[in-house]
Amino acid sequence: SQKIEQNSEALNIQEGKTATLTCNYTNYSPAYLQWYRQDPGRGPVFLLLIRENEKEKRKERLKVTFDTTLKQSLFHITASQPADSATYLCALNAGNNRKLIWGLGTSLAVNP
Amino acid sequence: KAGVTQTPRYLIKTRGQQVTLSCSPISGHRSVSWYQQTPGQGLQFLFEYFSETQRNKGNFPGRFSGRQFSNSRSEMNVSTLELGDSALYLCASSKQVATNEKLFFGSGTQLSVL
Repeated sequence: SQKIEQNSEALNIQEGKTATLTCNYTNYSPAYLQWYRQDPGRGPVFLLLIRENEKEKRKERLKVTFDTTLKQSLFHITASQPADSATYLCALNAGNNRKLIWGLGTSLAVNP
Repeated sequence: KAGVTQTPRYLIKTRGQQVTLSCSPISGHRSVSWYQQTPGQGLQFLFEYFSETQRNKGNFPGRFSGRQFSNSRSEMNVSTLELGDSALYLCASSKQVATNEKLFFGSGTQLSVL
């Protein structure tokens, strides 16, 4: 069956370290993949979009990689800060009608 | 520029009732998508409207419906509410069709069905 998976367990890291979150998918050939941040009680906020022909994308302390062979995207936050604590969601377009499919998200806690 | 506005923020209803949620997209955005979010299922796509036409639909029963007005504002209606409809309902807007662009989300409407 088609599915998209993110680390189900919460990720706890120390301030200043690099956080790495994983998004794996099966049976899709997405044209692109997006990452969002969601805080409790709020809607997701767009962070980065990476296309199938791009290996890597950066924005300030954020970096996303996209490996269509492994069917995996990695999301990195370098020099993490407590303010980075949130749930991070990945989404990809899938199917003939190109609907966005979402992972369940990974909760990140950055400890001071 | 104002963000996506959803009203009401919180809603409590009882089983069997109906509810209407409202979404005002960012000015100039023509696409509005609706999602249901629950802890176990994550974000589930309900439908997308673009220029007043339903462009895409998720796998939800016919009790869930929506519409879009000429000013791009959108409403979502759920009839005959069930306990399982309790969720955070999010709308998102984009300039063009949602699957080609980043989405801008509202803060959502937290619906509780008792």
